[in-house]
Amino acid sequence: GENVEQHPSTLSVQEGDSAVIKCTYSDSASNYFPWYKQELGKRPQLIIDIRSNVGEKKDQRIAVTLNKTAKHFSLHITETQPEDSAVYFCAASLGGTYKYIFGTGTRLKVLA
Amino acid sequence: SQTIHQWPATLVQPVGSPLSLECTVEGTSNPNLYWYRQAAGRGLQLLFYSVGIGQISSEVPQNLSASRPQDRQFILSSKKLLLSDSGFYLCAWSAPGGGMETQYFGPGTRLLVL
Repeated sequence: GENVEQHPSTLSVQEGDSAVIKCTYSDSASNYFPWYKQELGKRPQLIIDIRSNVGEKKDQRIAVTLNKTAKHFSLHITETQPEDSAVYFCAASLGGTYKYIFGTGTRLKVLA
Repeated sequence: SQTIHQWPATLVQPVGSPLSLECTVEGTSNPNLYWYRQAAGRGLQLLFYSVGIGQISSEVPQNLSASRPQDRQFILSSKKLLLSDSGFYLCAWSAPGGGMETQYFGPGTRLLVL
């Protein structure tokens, strides 16, 4: 079946440094790629998304890049802050359906 | 604006007891609705999704079932809970349409089966 691989599973960075999380998808028909942030005990919340007709999207300190040829997309967080500490999930739409395939998550720790 | 509700927020149930979790959405019509389960420290597992009243698609064989009696109401049920049913249950909605619509999650129900 189709899948999404996400790396790394854990990531520790110093406050102010950048963090990069990478995902690779298998379904060539995927055309929508959201990123969710989940704080401990809370619901996942959308932080940024990108559609297949765009190569990069930025929102303040957060950016996402998409390489359709290589079937991978990445989340970039610059100038990290302690409140960025959370689990981040990538997802890819499953072509022809109403479903996503989620990555396994990355636990980001920003050290003060 | 759209709002999604889930209740109860937490639930402790004995093995073999029944289960009913409810999810309702406000501020939108004919949403796509989803039930996910998240085991502790793990990822999101899609259990069911629905594109309309009475239309349920099951993703994983299990002792759970789902129903959509009204346009903006989605219910997750079980006749007899198992220990392995413990987890964080999340309902989500998206606008009607294909997979390019964003899914928005409810606050979740934390279920502990003892």
